Amino acid sequence: GENVEQHPSTLSVQEGDSAVIKCTYSDSASNYFPWYKQELGKRPQLIIDIRSNVGEKKDQRIAVTLNKTAKHFSLHITETQPEDSAVYFCAPLQGAQKLVFGQGTRLTINP
Amino acid sequence: DTAVSQTPKYLVTQMGNDKSIKCEQNLGHDTMYWYKQDSKKFLKIMFSYNNKELIINETVPNRFSPKSPDKAHLNLHINSLELGDSAVYFCASSQGVSLAKNIQYFGAGTRLSVL
Repeated sequence: GENVEQHPSTLSVQEGDSAVIKCTYSDSASNYFPWYKQELGKRPQLIIDIRSNVGEKKDQRIAVTLNKTAKHFSLHITETQPEDSAVYFCAPLQGAQKLVFGQGTRLTINP
Repeated sequence: DTAVSQTPKYLVTQMGNDKSIKCEQNLGHDTMYWYKQDSKKFLKIMFSYNNKELIINETVPNRFSPKSPDKAHLNLHINSLELGDSAVYFCASSQGVSLAKNIQYFGAGTRLSVL
């Protein structure tokens, strides 16, 4: 099965600074790499994803980079804002049907 | 209008009881899921159904029994509730089984507390 680890488990940054969360996985056959955001008391929501034929994808202030050789992918948030405070999960796909969620990273944006 | 809706939102019950959580999606999706999120925020797949057929069944005690009467509904019945069942249970759905091609949408969650 897929082993997934996220680092760091907690991250605190000043508003306006950048945040980076890294996810390592074990299944070399994984080909889809999403990031989910979960605000306090809310449902997980997909914020960005990347497929294995692409090295980087950007959507406004968020970006995801993928290193398939090293089996890790990272979430980058620039110009952080208070509403970015949440728990972020990576969830690489195992097989075609199963997302394996990391343990989550609690991101706090300090005003 | 809610795309994936779960009821109830909160459920407080005694150990040993039997309870059900209901999930409905109005997105016309073929595939539905149940996830468990424990107190440490670990989010794990429990079951997945595609067109009413079970396709993923993780290592879950058989006290948990999913039922899909039609592809828009996936209910979760739990027998003989234990303290360790306390968690938030999320229902989700996707258009198809291939999650590399189909986004998964989550319901708002059901917070189950077993006393």
